[in-house]
Amino acid sequence: GAVVSQHPSRVICKSGTSVKIECRSLDFQATTMFWYRQFPKQSLMLMATSNEGSKATYEQGVEKDKFLINHASLTLSTLTVTSAHPEDSSFYICSVGTGDYGYTFGSGTRLTVV
Amino acid sequence: QKEVEQDPGPLSVPEGAIVSLNCTYSNSAFQYFMWYRQYSRKGPELLMYTYSSGNKEDGRFTAQVDKSSKYISLFIRDSQPSDSATYLCAMTSSGSARQLTFGSGTQLTVLP
Repeated sequence: GAVVSQHPSRVICKSGTSVKIECRSLDFQATTMFWYRQFPKQSLMLMATSNEGSKATYEQGVEKDKFLINHASLTLSTLTVTSAHPEDSSFYICSVGTGDYGYTFGSGTRLTVV
Repeated sequence: QKEVEQDPGPLSVPEGAIVSLNCTYSNSAFQYFMWYRQYSRKGPELLMYTYSSGNKEDGRFTAQVDKSSKYISLFIRDSQPSDSATYLCAMTSSGSARQLTFGSGTQLTVLP
């Protein structure tokens, strides 16, 4: 499967600021990447599908203007949480799909907004 | 009703026990079934995948899919303390958008 690097692993930011999370596919050219959000002791909820060279597809209820996704190359997708608030505090995880079952996840980013 | 239901746990077993983890689902279009293991504050890692119905074995792990009952299971034999983690089932249908639907996860603790 692919090797996926996610950075940073942990970030603390002040309310009102923006935070960028990077997801890199190190050995696989990913036309599609996925961004998930996970609350404590809950499962992963798909936020959006990141498409290389085009706009991301957001799931219902996810604010496009708050969670900006850029997938400018086949190896990098970024998620920017804009004007972050404490309720945005969560665990964000990206994944790369390499086939019908070949999904590799990043190690996740724990965002804390204070 | 959720598309995928998973036994909530938490589950605590002694070392060496056989562990059974289960999920049920409602979408008959699901074709690919996976089990992921997630350690605390880490991303999920793929343990097993199965296409359609049947069994698959890999070391101490066995995955079973019964599409007629819309029921999948993961068995862990000779469980070890290092197996302590949250186990997530996941599934997807065939199609151009490969998106996974996850169960809520079962937290497993194997006691030494």
